[in-house]
Amino acid sequence: NAGVTQTPKFQVLKTGQSMTLQCAQDMNHEYMSWYRQDPGMGLRLIHYSVGAGITDQGEVPNGYNVSRSTTEDFPLRLLSAAPSQTSVYFCASKTGKGPQHFGDGTRLSIL
Amino acid sequence: AQKITQTQPGMFVQEKEAVTLDCTYDTSDPSYGLFWYKQPSSGEMIFLIYQGSYDQQNATEGRYSLNFQKARKSANLVISASQLGDSAMYFCAMREGFQGAQKLVFGQGTRLTINP
Repeated sequence: NAGVTQTPKFQVLKTGQSMTLQCAQDMNHEYMSWYRQDPGMGLRLIHYSVGAGITDQGEVPNGYNVSRSTTEDFPLRLLSAAPSQTSVYFCASKTGKGPQHFGDGTRLSIL
Repeated sequence: AQKITQTQPGMFVQEKEAVTLDCTYDTSDPSYGLFWYKQPSSGEMIFLIYQGSYDQQNATEGRYSLNFQKARKSANLVISASQLGDSAMYFCAMREGFQGAQKLVFGQGTRLTINP
């Protein structure tokens, strides 16, 4: 049982480049979320989804897009990377009353 | 205003001692949930314990217990008989609204170091 799988684990981008962070879960969870963690801080919610085809903004959505075409996958897109988006990104999923299960994170550096 | 406050940036504890990590929260929603997560140096987020606002008893999970004082809006994590492997960052988080809601608000964390 893989749980929540994030790829890649590390990525370096140049300012202005675009990329997609991948997130997949095999637990048939209806809820999925993306968080970012900056140094010395807790996680902050970027976007979330309550099911396939439904997404909404979290606390810090600017500069990021998401879509949820399947239950399993919830990719996060950076359209034009900025140095302020340098962070560790976590994907999470949950079902019903259960806690959020987190992936291992993607460490992203924007030069 | 911060919704989750963890006032201890760092704590140092001797192995086998009990440790309490503080967490206070702010919400006007009568339905909410409180979570504690552990983040070791390897970086993953590990769920430890959950307390619902309507739960009558304090949550316990093995060596972890949650000291929930609703009137004071505090949800402190207690680790009994600490071990070297407990050294990590610990985050308190809150979910507001119904139990299916998934927006979590995190505190800034407490770095716990267990000394041998």
